[in-house]
Amino acid sequence: GAGVSQTPSNKVTEKGKYVELRCDPISGHTALYWYRQSLGQGPEFLIYFQGTGAADDSGLPNDRFFAVRPEGSVSTLKIQRTERGDSAVYLCASSLVHGLYEQYFGPGTRLTVT
Amino acid sequence: QQQVKQSPQSLIVQKGGISIINCAYENTAFDYFPWYQQFPGKGPALLIAIRPDVSEKKEGRFTISFNKSAKQFSLHIMDSQPGDSATYFCAASMKNHDKIIFGKGTRLHILP
Repeated sequence: GAGVSQTPSNKVTEKGKYVELRCDPISGHTALYWYRQSLGQGPEFLIYFQGTGAADDSGLPNDRFFAVRPEGSVSTLKIQRTERGDSAVYLCASSLVHGLYEQYFGPGTRLTVT
Repeated sequence: QQQVKQSPQSLIVQKGGISIINCAYENTAFDYFPWYQQFPGKGPALLIAIRPDVSEKKEGRFTISFNKSAKQFSLHIMDSQPGDSATYFCAASMKNHDKIIFGKGTRLHILP
């Protein structure tokens, strides 16, 4: 079946602009995770959803970052007033049930802030 | 503070050789230790994982060795192949499959 998909695959934006990154999890997966991977580094946890609610947003770096999952499926990561330091690959993962099953990662969205 | 320390940063191995990547952790609350493989332009994919009550786990050419007292674990790739060339991440989580804490990664290159 289809894996986790993320759109767009690449996004270039100017400093100060607003961006939205989309994640489509594997069908039926209740848990959804966002990670950020900077160049040459391992992914870093941002937030995870169990169903529609954000169960743990402790990894969001500041209040410019926000994520939603209104219907418990697709999720959108929103970044306001982008800064050059936000440039990274944003990875989404999903799991059948949080804490019990493997997380499957999407290919990521490469965000470049100029 | 880096919770999972990984070495080496990069590794070159001849085809057929053994590739060894090491990791160390500090937090004894970690109870799940996965290894991920990542190819360029792709997301990480789970390769193999171990829990601290087991000292070794083998799946095909891939083996995890775990030393709980030393808080260290390693990945061994036997009979390394050019197709194994990728970046490998060790990781840890506090509950099975909870938010995953990744190491910085090891870029492995297998010479044909």
